[in-house]
Amino acid sequence: GENVEQHPSTLSVQEGDSAVIKCTYSDSASNYFPWYKQELGKGPQLIIDIRSNVGEKKDQRIAVTLNKTAKHFSLHITETQPEDSAVYFCAASMDFGNEKLTFGTGTRLTIIP
Amino acid sequence: EAGVAQSPRYKIIEKRQSVAFWCNPISGHATLYWYQQILGQGPKLLIQFQNNGVVDDSQLPKDRFSAERLKGVDSTLKIQPAKLEDSAVYLCASSLDGQVWEQYFGPGTRLTVT
Repeated sequence: GENVEQHPSTLSVQEGDSAVIKCTYSDSASNYFPWYKQELGKGPQLIIDIRSNVGEKKDQRIAVTLNKTAKHFSLHITETQPEDSAVYFCAASMDFGNEKLTFGTGTRLTIIP
Repeated sequence: EAGVAQSPRYKIIEKRQSVAFWCNPISGHATLYWYQQILGQGPKLLIQFQNNGVVDDSQLPKDRFSAERLKGVDSTLKIQPAKLEDSAVYLCASSLDGQVWEQYFGPGTRLTVT
């Protein structure tokens, strides 16, 4: 089955700086890679995703890059703000119906004002 | 649009006791998921329903965990008897028709087994 590794487990950055979280996956058949943000006491919320037919996707201050050859993908957050503080999870799946998401172990991001 | 509702939000029980969690998915969502999230880990899928049928329960510890979705809407997840290692947040999610890219999560139930 799929295995997703995520690094780092904790990350502290100064407000306004950039943050990068990296994930690797094992199953070359995976072609859908979402990122979730989980705030305290809440369920994970999808913030951005990428499919294997593109190498990069941006949404305002958030971007995701994908290297299918190396089987790794990364989340980039620029101009970080205090509200970006949360736990971030990467995941991998196939994007057919009823496929299973395999999550990474999470990164606790703290933005230092 | 109302989100996924779960109750209770917190539960503390002693080992060997039983416990049940309830989930109400987003209206019209045919697919319902239960995840277990142990502290410091990502969510792990326990069971997936499509309407009232089970699509995937390969990671559900069936000797102690059970789940049902009798009318294809609400769902309950039960643990009997509970073990210390069952302490976790139990997340419910739903999607319109099984799309992994459109799963919406509820706030979860935090279970502590003492």
